[in-house]
Amino acid sequence: AQSVAQPEDQVNVAEGNPLTVKCTYSVSGNPYLFWYVQYPNRGLQFLLKYITGDNLVKGSYGFEAEFNKSQTSFHLKKPSALVSDSALYFCAVRDLYGGSQGNLIFGKGTKLSVKP
Amino acid sequence: DAEITQSPRHKITETGRQVTLACHQTWNHNNMFWYRQDLGHGLRLIHYSYGVQDTNKGEVSDGYSVSRSNTEDLPLTLESAASSQTSVYFCASSESSGTPLHFGNGTRLTVT
Repeated sequence: AQSVAQPEDQVNVAEGNPLTVKCTYSVSGNPYLFWYVQYPNRGLQFLLKYITGDNLVKGSYGFEAEFNKSQTSFHLKKPSALVSDSALYFCAVRDLYGGSQGNLIFGKGTKLSVKP
Repeated sequence: DAEITQSPRHKITETGRQVTLACHQTWNHNNMFWYRQDLGHGLRLIHYSYGVQDTNKGEVSDGYSVSRSNTEDLPLTLESAASSQTSVYFCASSESSGTPLHFGNGTRLTVT
């Protein structure tokens, strides 16, 4: 079965420092991978996606993610964190072969806290 | 601008009552989805639709139903609300499978 894991419930970073939010996946074929961000009392917002091509994907708000096939990972990164980046981050994989017919499967989320 | 709106934003109901949560999108997307968000579980798919008159069960569909009579709306009905259905519900839409989802701002439902 397709699945995605976010091993950290929370990540704490000082403003200005680089940040990484981890995601690993398990799929039968080539993965379609996504990152979403959720601010308090709001719905999820799309950040970036990987389908094919360059392993380094750039997205919104200065975020990027690196696809690593050998490690089955898709970690979210940003060179310099801002306090306003504090939010809940979700990794998701497109379920190509499971019962949901190509719909997204979400990880449990990682809370990012950026301190001044 | 196109958007996806959910109503109400907050709802308190009693066990056993029927409840309907509204979702309306102006993206003209064929695909629409309902998720519930619970601490420790992330987002779980309840029902989804790929077009008018099409509805499908997701991972946690028991106790829920949907209907799709037009492109814009996918209401979610809890036939007989249970305390286990206390959650935050999100509606989403997408142009096609694999394209990014657009989410509403959610409905917080409390079943007492």
